[in-house]
Amino acid sequence: NAGVTQTPKFQVLKTGQSMTLQCAQDMNHEYMSWYRQDPGMGLRLIHYSVGAGITDQGEVPNGYNVSRSTTEDFPLRLLSAAPSQTSVYFCASSYSSYGGTEAFFGQGTRLTVV
Amino acid sequence: DAKTTQPNSMESNEEEPVHLPCNHSTISGTDYIHWYRQLPSQGPEYVIHGLTSNVNNRMASLAIAEDRKSSTLILHRATLRDAAVYYCILRAGYSTLTFGKGTMLLVSP
Repeated sequence: NAGVTQTPKFQVLKTGQSMTLQCAQDMNHEYMSWYRQDPGMGLRLIHYSVGAGITDQGEVPNGYNVSRSTTEDFPLRLLSAAPSQTSVYFCASSYSSYGGTEAFFGQGTRLTVV
Repeated sequence: DAKTTQPNSMESNEEEPVHLPCNHSTISGTDYIHWYRQLPSQGPEYVIHGLTSNVNNRMASLAIAEDRKSSTLILHRATLRDAAVYYCILRAGYSTLTFGKGTMLLVSP
């Protein structure tokens, strides 16, 4: 049982490049989400999904795309990377979005855009 | 989302109890109180959550005020590994987790 797995752990991109951050969970969780964390700040929600085929925007969705074709995977796509997207990205999953369920987080992807 | 207020930082000595406070005066009846912590260079980790009654687990205890407008996370014996940022979050039925800035806990040997 690996929990939530994020790849890669580190990535350097040039401005304008695109890439996909991978997130996979093996707990059969319906709810998955992506956050970004900038230095000295809390986590901010980018996108989330309440199940396969269903996604929605969070607080800071601009510049990011998501899709959810399977329960296990929730990739985050950067369409045209910008220096402002330099951040640490965390993926999370939980059994549901119900208030009484706990969330599990991946170890993060540290992205630098130059 | 209902908001929480936490001190920016707290200090403790190793092997002493730690009481981390959280105020949430605008909490609604369906809001669960969650605590997560984030160790340096790691993802957030679930600690505990509750609705109305006090809760205990292997990591910590959660004490909820009778009017639910405040709560306290209790670490019974702090260790150096407990040094982290602790987030108190309210989560209503079927909603996202919204993080604030949390409390940075410093533990001295």
